[in-house]
Parts: sequence; C-alpha cells; structure tokens
Amino acid sequence: AQKITQTQPGMFVQEKEAVTLDCTYDTSDPSYGLFWYKQPSSGEMIFLIYQGSYDQQNATEGRYSLNFQKARKSANLVISASQLGDSAMYFCAMREGAGANNLFFGTGTRLTVIP
Amino acid sequence: DSGVTQTPKHLITATGQRVTLRCSPRSGDLSVYWYQQSLDQGLQFLIQYYNGEERAKGNILERFSAQQFPDLHSELNLSSLELGDSALYFCASSAGLAGASSSYNEQFFGPGTRLTVL
Repeated sequence: AQKITQTQPGMFVQEKEAVTLDCTYDTSDPSYGLFWYKQPSSGEMIFLIYQGSYDQQNATEGRYSLNFQKARKSANLVISASQLGDSAMYFCAMREGAGANNLFFGTGTRLTVIP
Repeated sequence: DSGVTQTPKHLITATGQRVTLRCSPRSGDLSVYWYQQSLDQGLQFLIQYYNGEERAKGNILERFSAQQFPDLHSELNLSSLELGDSALYFCASSAGLAGASSSYNEQFFGPGTRLTVL
C-alpha cells in the first residue's frame, strides 16, 4: 500500500482565493511526522510546514495551514490568499516511526494559480 | 537558498558509465540524505548518513553507493548507468536525527543534480 496518497494530479485556483490540497497517509506506527514541500518549476524542494503525530493543534505557517485529521489519516494543506508565485508542484511526505528520518513522498499535486 | 549545495547541476553521460554527485550539507548539519526523483518512480529515498555512518537505506540499487566524509560532505556514486537512471538527484541535510517522539528534524534540500543518461 502507498504510504502517502495525493489524489489530485492538478488543481486550479483563482488568485487571492484559498485552496486545499489533499493528502492521506497509511501507517500503523503511532509516531510519525507529516511534511509538505513545494517544488517550483526551477526544481528545488522548499519546506512549507510540519505536523507531528502527537501535536494537539494544527500546524500553521503564514498562509499555509495543515488540516490534520488523525482518525481519517489525512493531512491536507490549505493555502490562503493564493498568489501567482504559489503555482508549483506540492508534495506531501511522511516520516514514519520513532527515530526514523527518511521521508516517503506522495506523487504530488500541480497547483496553478489563475490571475 | 537552503544552504545545501550540490554539484554538478547538470550531468550528461552515456550508458555503462560511472558518475559521482557531490553534496555539501548546511553548516552544522550532521545528517545527509539522498533522494531520486524520476518520472516513473516519483521521489524516492535512497540512503542516509549521519556523522559519517550509514543510518538508513531505502530503494538504492547495488550499482549505487554513497559515503559521507569527515568534513560531512557526501558523494553519491552511480555506476554501470542505464537509461532508467536518468533523474533528478537531491541531497538533503538535517541537524541530527529525529527523536523518539517524531520530532521535527526538518530536512533542507539542495537544488539537485539532473542526470541524463544517453
């Protein structure tokens, strides 16, 4: 089974609107971390936000927030007030298990912001 | 700029050849990770080194090897190259190791090396 599933290959959003990018994960380990990365067309991977499995509150970083629903095993990324520069690939990733370090990535969602 | 540097930026070579990709982690980071991003396999973890020692292994082929040197830079060696090895190879670094409670230990990615095997 896939550890990280991103079911939206592509998404469009109007500039200044909010958008939600979906991510579900699969693990039986109670200790894990969830990450979102942005990959613009230039290719670099930019860290956006992190949520630990034991964190009580949803993570927020500026215009990014993570809608963490543990029972549903989902960790959706919400981008508020979209900007043209948000157009990029977005990857959800998981680090599984206490002491583990490597990341499992989803297949990504290509977000296009329309002016 | 993440502070992680990778050289070269682009590499074009022929099947059967051997190449070496180099990574310098952020200052002070002890962990180095290698990832491969290809069209058919997506982003895959290859291997992790921590302070010179191999820490974790992912989907790394036997034709590939890596090491981390005393100055903490790392090299990924790819040999007997095949067309399917064409990919973007990322190096990432983090301060240390994730703790017992899935602590943060954010990974910072380098710009990648784009390998094309002809």
